[in-house]
Amino acid sequence: EIQLVESGGGLVQPGGSLRLSCAASGDTLRSYDINWARQAPGKGLEWVAHITSSGDALYYADSVRGRFTVSRDNAKNSLYLQMNSLRADDTGVYYCATHRSGIYYNWGQGTLVTVSS
Amino acid sequence: EIVLTQSPATLSLSPGDRATLSCRASQSISIYLNWYQQRPGQAPRLLIYDASDRATGIPPRFSGSGSGTDFTLTISSLEPEDFAIYHCQQRSKWPHAFGGGTKVEIK
Repeated sequence: EIQLVESGGGLVQPGGSLRLSCAASGDTLRSYDINWARQAPGKGLEWVAHITSSGDALYYADSVRGRFTVSRDNAKNSLYLQMNSLRADDTGVYYCATHRSGIYYNWGQGTLVTVSS
Repeated sequence: EIVLTQSPATLSLSPGDRATLSCRASQSISIYLNWYQQRPGQAPRLLIYDASDRATGIPPRFSGSGSGTDFTLTISSLEPEDFAIYHCQQRSKWPHAFGGGTKVEIK
């Protein structure tokens, strides 16, 4: 079974940038569509972005479109979420998860992003 | 955009009790409703997909029902490890939104 591990979170000032990574083990990431989702403190889950297994189709939530970019490097068994122009309401735990037909199957443990001055 | 409303926000129960969680969609989503469990400090895990199908390895005390706009997750007899947050999520239309979650806590 595939295992996912996110990294790259941290404290960043409003307007700043961060790049999150999602590394896979136990299976080949290139076989999977992947979603990024986030969870603000004390709140529910929110879908953020989707990338197909080949990387040829990308989808974004309205709240992040134009600021976030998802990409993947199948040769490195990894994918990335570049986050620019960060705002306080982007604060939360960010998860990557395998995704097929609208179902999230395997989740990473998450990485915390805090946007604050 | 489809909105999912979960109720109650918090459910206070004792081990061995029956838990009934609700998820209501703002428009019909047929059976395309998934449930996830999130234990404290852990990532979510898939419990139920398509309203009533248990994911691999999920014990039979978890069951899901419903169609259209009203869905229910039932835990027949709460075990200590079941005290967690439960999220519903629809896969009928993009974006595949989640509900706000229901916390099942020990009474």
